[in-house]
Amino acid sequence: SQKIEQNSEALNIQEGKTATLTCNYTNYSPAYLQWYRQDPGRGPVFLLLIRENEKEKRKERLKVTFDTTLKQSLFHITASQPADSATYLCALASRSSASKIIFGSGTRLSIRP
Amino acid sequence: GAGVSQTPSNKVTEKGKYVELRCDPISGHTALYWYRQSLGQGPEFLIYFQGTGAADDSGLPNDRFFAVRPEGSVSTLKIQRTERGDSAVYLCASSLHGSSGGNTIYFGEGSWLTVV
Repeated sequence: SQKIEQNSEALNIQEGKTATLTCNYTNYSPAYLQWYRQDPGRGPVFLLLIRENEKEKRKERLKVTFDTTLKQSLFHITASQPADSATYLCALASRSSASKIIFGSGTRLSIRP
Repeated sequence: GAGVSQTPSNKVTEKGKYVELRCDPISGHTALYWYRQSLGQGPEFLIYFQGTGAADDSGLPNDRFFAVRPEGSVSTLKIQRTERGDSAVYLCASSLHGSSGGNTIYFGEGSWLTVV
């Protein structure tokens, strides 16, 4: 069956360190993969998109990698700040149904001062 | 509008009642999505509209759920004979075009539905 797996355990990081979140998928052929941030009681906010033919994407302190062989994406936040504390969602769209975006369950990230 | 607007923000209804949830997408966005999110879970795809038509409704859980977008802008998600298991946050999102090209998708804040 198709799965998108994110670490369900919360990740606690010291301020200033790099936070790394993992997204693994099975039985998908993604056209692209996206990362979102979600704060409690709010809707998800789009952060980054990476296509299947791209290995890495950067935006300010954010970096996403995409390994279609390992079927994995890594999401990095460098120089983490307490304001980065939120739930981060991985989402992908298959080549066969590129407008249907499927989400993982998210990983809660907590940055302590 | 400036963002995706959803109403009501909160709705408490009795089991068996009919509910309508409204979504106003960002002006000019042709693509509109409905998702459902339960506590501790990621958003679950329900339906995707391109213009007025439902391009993909494969996520609707059963025939109690129905959505329309008659003029290609505002959409309404309709739930008949509500059940306690329908309690969740219903999220609407829109994008300029369909996301096949990887367009940015903008979410609303959601409609929190509680069925008692």
